[in-house]
Amino acid sequence: ETGVTQTPRHLVMGMTNKKSLKCEQHLGHNAMYWYKQSAKKPLELMFVYSLEERVENNSVPSRFSPECPNSSHLFLHLHTLQPEDSALYLCASSHFEQGYYGYTFGSGTRLTVV
Amino acid sequence: DQQVKQNSPSLSVQEGRISILNCDYTNSMFDYFLWYKKYPAEGPTFLISISSIKDKNEDGRFTVFLNKSAKHLSLHIVPSQPGDSAVYFCAAKNRDDKIIFGKGTRLHILP
Repeated sequence: ETGVTQTPRHLVMGMTNKKSLKCEQHLGHNAMYWYKQSAKKPLELMFVYSLEERVENNSVPSRFSPECPNSSHLFLHLHTLQPEDSALYLCASSHFEQGYYGYTFGSGTRLTVV
Repeated sequence: DQQVKQNSPSLSVQEGRISILNCDYTNSMFDYFLWYKKYPAEGPTFLISISSIKDKNEDGRFTVFLNKSAKHLSLHIVPSQPGDSAVYFCAAKNRDDKIIFGKGTRLHILP
């Protein structure tokens, strides 16, 4: 385990479903991130939470809704997704002051929208 | 428009030889560069970094070189080992602390 745990590892959902991705870290980090990795594309930052407050939303469609109830947990709520949203969703955490240096990634959730 | 480019999707290198992974960037305001390594079914892990004020950083078998005038950096792995087979992501940090990743290069170490 890397210290950042993501569940589920794989998810297949229909376009009308509602599902949630979960991320958990016990590294004492105070910032958490959602990244999206699509095939043959760079990793894209979606959301940044620092001290449980959203500090960045990179123009992500509203069908993706993040939630950070505390510094150890981060969720990504999904509803009415499109097939092009199929991707690997990676959670990461860090000390916000050292964001770039102390990233720890989870193993990701492989999402398939059918 | 990609700000961090890894133009080689894959690279094959003989075990024991040097692996050189390349990365180009377009934004001269990047102040920190990083390399991440990713195995299948795992998240990326931090490998090595370099500040924009330096031109070389070495850590064991891994060395990162930065050529600011060419906006180019490279990761050298020597000697290459079978466990080095992975996807390597180049990343850059801008002054807003935003990390921009490249698409990655898949490195195959051949026996």
